[in-house]
Amino acid sequence: DTGVSQDPRHKITKRGQNVTFRCDPISEHNRLYWYRQTLGQGPEFLTYFQNEAQLEKSRLLSDRFSAERPKGSFSTLEIQRTEQGDSAMYLCASSLGSPGGGNTIYFGEGSWLTVV
Amino acid sequence: GENVEQHPSTLSVQEGDSAVIKCTYSDSASNYFPWYKQELGKGPQLIIDIRSNVGEKKDQRIAVTLNKTAKHFSLHITETQPEDSAVYFCAASTGGNEKLTFGTGTRLTIIP
Repeated sequence: DTGVSQDPRHKITKRGQNVTFRCDPISEHNRLYWYRQTLGQGPEFLTYFQNEAQLEKSRLLSDRFSAERPKGSFSTLEIQRTEQGDSAMYLCASSLGSPGGGNTIYFGEGSWLTVV
Repeated sequence: GENVEQHPSTLSVQEGDSAVIKCTYSDSASNYFPWYKQELGKGPQLIIDIRSNVGEKKDQRIAVTLNKTAKHFSLHITETQPEDSAVYFCAASTGGNEKLTFGTGTRLTIIP
């Protein structure tokens, strides 16, 4: 068990550019989540996948954001036409099943995005 | 949707003393309540969780209590140590709901 892995850990980009983050969940975890965390706040849910299917999206996920999990393993989160308000830490998490069903959600170390 | 409030936002405790962090939630259907510890520059790490069919759970120096009637739950850390210094987040989830709703965090500082 190598934990949830995220790449890159830090990204500085100019406003208007596109960025992509990658997440490798814990092996055999069928659920994968994306959260966003700004300074001084708790993580906020963005979206989740069960295997390759994206089953829920928060209204925080504007149409500039897109997430994929093409083979039910790793996932990517792309932000198009970045804005300064997108500056945050993007957290990926995974679990074997639903938290309501007794499963723990494990978080990665996060990807910091700074839009200048 | 669910709303989780957390208090206090900052807490300083003398090493060896106890620390208590409290959270309230709004959705009476919530049934899973994890606590995460987050160190600077790192992702949240689960330290303990409790489900709605249990009133209290303990793991060494850490305990969590849940009052479903009042819709609040608390984290208790006894015999605090310098390595307990971090930001702690409570969260809540409703059965069948994949989403965790987090509180705003408590920055705990242990004074040597």
